[in-house]
Amino acid sequence: KQEVTQIPAALSVPEGENLVLNCSFTDSAIYNLQWFRQDPGKGLTSLLLIQSSQREQTSGRLNASLDKSSGRSTLYIAASQPGDSATYLCAAHPGAGSYQLTFGKGTKLSVIP
Amino acid sequence: DAGVIQSPRHEVTEMGQEVTLRCKPISGHDYLFWYRQTMMRGLELLIYFNNNVPIDDSGMPEDRFSAKMPNASFSTLKIQPSEPRDSAVYFCASSPNRNTGELFFGEGSRLTVL
Repeated sequence: KQEVTQIPAALSVPEGENLVLNCSFTDSAIYNLQWFRQDPGKGLTSLLLIQSSQREQTSGRLNASLDKSSGRSTLYIAASQPGDSATYLCAAHPGAGSYQLTFGKGTKLSVIP
Repeated sequence: DAGVIQSPRHEVTEMGQEVTLRCKPISGHDYLFWYRQTMMRGLELLIYFNNNVPIDDSGMPEDRFSAKMPNASFSTLKIQPSEPRDSAVYFCASSPNRNTGELFFGEGSRLTVL
């Protein structure tokens, strides 16, 4: 059974700092890995999706990498801003024939002005 | 283009009452998912549909929970009778019928059962 872990559960950084959020998964046979952002009282917003054949994806100040062999993905946020404060979740997709995504519990990020 | 729409956003009810949560997926998306989120267990998939047909309901916690999708633009999740341990945020999500598997979430329905 796939397990997805995100450590730390919470992170606080000063504005302007570059930071890395971690996601690890136990079963490397994934189809893709997706990073989401969740603001308090809101739903999840998809940030980046990395297919299993890809190594990384970039969107603006965000860069997500995927290393299937080590069971790890990272989300890099450059020049953090207070508006980046949110909970970030990753989810592993098992394969094209199934939609049983496994979510991590998230890392709550606080960017201090 | 409107996103996934859920109602109600908040529901407070008493134990034993019936609760119905509603979802309108993004037009053209063939997959619809119901998730539950709690602090203790995180996000859990309850059930998902493909072209209005339930594909996997193994996450539905017990017979008190039921879900229907009568047409491509509407789905309901019903709890009858409700219990305090059902208190959670229930999310609906949809996905287009393509290989990326990207999910688009609604803003959730926060359920409190007293």
